Amino acid sequence: AQSVAQPEDQVNVAEGNPLTVKCTYSVSGNPYLFWYVQYPNRGLQFLLKYITGDNLVKGSYGFEAEFNKSQTSFHLKKPSALVSDSALYFCAVRDPVKGSARQLTFGSGTQLTVLP
Amino acid sequence: DARVTQTPRDKVTEMGQEVTMRCQPILGHNTVFWYRQTMMQGLELLAYFRNRAPLDDSGMPKDRFSAEMPDATLATLKIQPSEPRDSAVYFCASGLYHSGTNTEAFFGQGTRLTVV
Repeated sequence: AQSVAQPEDQVNVAEGNPLTVKCTYSVSGNPYLFWYVQYPNRGLQFLLKYITGDNLVKGSYGFEAEFNKSQTSFHLKKPSALVSDSALYFCAVRDPVKGSARQLTFGSGTQLTVLP
Repeated sequence: DARVTQTPRDKVTEMGQEVTMRCQPILGHNTVFWYRQTMMQGLELLAYFRNRAPLDDSGMPKDRFSAEMPDATLATLKIQPSEPRDSAVYFCASGLYHSGTNTEAFFGQGTRLTVV
């Protein structure tokens, strides 16, 4: 069974500092990995994904994530945080093996607060 | 600007009443997902459809929940009878599946259901 862990419920960072939101996964094959962001009272917005290729993936709003197969991680990063980045971030995994009955499995979410 | 549209945005109902939530997927998308978000359980997949056919509804309580796609532009999630424990935000998402791969899922803004 596939699973995703976001070990931190809350991450606080000062504006202008780099930020990291952690994600580790477990899946039987090669994973498809995603990051979504949720602003208050809004749906989830897609940020970026890793399917294959370069381990460093660049996405929307200056975010990037690095796929690390040996550590089964897909941490979300941004070099310089903005107050407007404050939101709830979800990591998700999909097992691309054909016949897999389940789709995206989401982590529990990490609340990012960027302090001015 | 293509987006997934969900109605209603908010619904307050009394226990025992029927609730119907509607979703209009992005035009051309052939996969539709229903998720439920609560503080305790996070994001849970309730059901998903491909080309209007239900592929997996194992996450859905069968005795009171039902999901359908009357046509390619409308997906519905119905709860009858509703219970206070059904209070949550229900998200619809759509994506495109072809040639053995899926695009990322695009989410609607959700229906916030409160059962009193």
